[in-house]
Amino acid sequence: EPEVTQTPSHQVTQMGQEVILRCVPISNHLYFYWYRQILGQKVEFLVSFYNNEISEKSEIFDDQFSVERPDGSNFTLKIRSTKLEDSAMYFCASEGRGNEQYFGPGTRLTVT
Amino acid sequence: RKEVEQDPGPFNVPEGATVAFNCTYSNSASQSFFWYRQDCRKEPKLLMSVYSSGNEDGRFTAQLNRASQYISLLIRDSKLSDSATYLCVVTQFSGGYNKLIFGAGTRLAVHP
Repeated sequence: EPEVTQTPSHQVTQMGQEVILRCVPISNHLYFYWYRQILGQKVEFLVSFYNNEISEKSEIFDDQFSVERPDGSNFTLKIRSTKLEDSAMYFCASEGRGNEQYFGPGTRLTVT
Repeated sequence: RKEVEQDPGPFNVPEGATVAFNCTYSNSASQSFFWYRQDCRKEPKLLMSVYSSGNEDGRFTAQLNRASQYISLLIRDSKLSDSATYLCVVTQFSGGYNKLIFGAGTRLAVHP
């Protein structure tokens, strides 16, 4: 069964550093998303992406965040200058037909 | 009012019990509805989509009442492996794309 993959599984970084989180969505899916989940809190939408463009972003997704699909398979989330409050699980999701979104295993980001 | 509200639980039930989860949502324009399950520190996994006509998948039955903006999930004959957090999720359709709005989840603990 096809699945979404994410790397790394855990990233530790110092405040102010840049991080890139990587995702490989399901191959025939067209819509891609990033969500985050701060420990003990609910899953929150960050950004949606289609046809190499951001289609919607949340208030959380400020100028420090960017996404791109540098090739036909990878989908990345970059945080330019990390803050302590960026510590969270970051989930990539991809959507095929039928509005069902499938999540990757997540990257746990720890900012120290 | 929260966009998606769930009883936080936890629900502690013995094996074999029937357990019901309830959820309400605030946006009447929501179009698609799902139940996801999330194990501790793992990604949300799609359990089932929810339709107005109701749908069943083995021991799991989901119902949607659009007029009341209410979604339910029933688990019959619960197993130890059902222990997880159950997330009620609705979509917010925006600009041609769906973003998922998550409830905070209801934790279920099934004991022998």
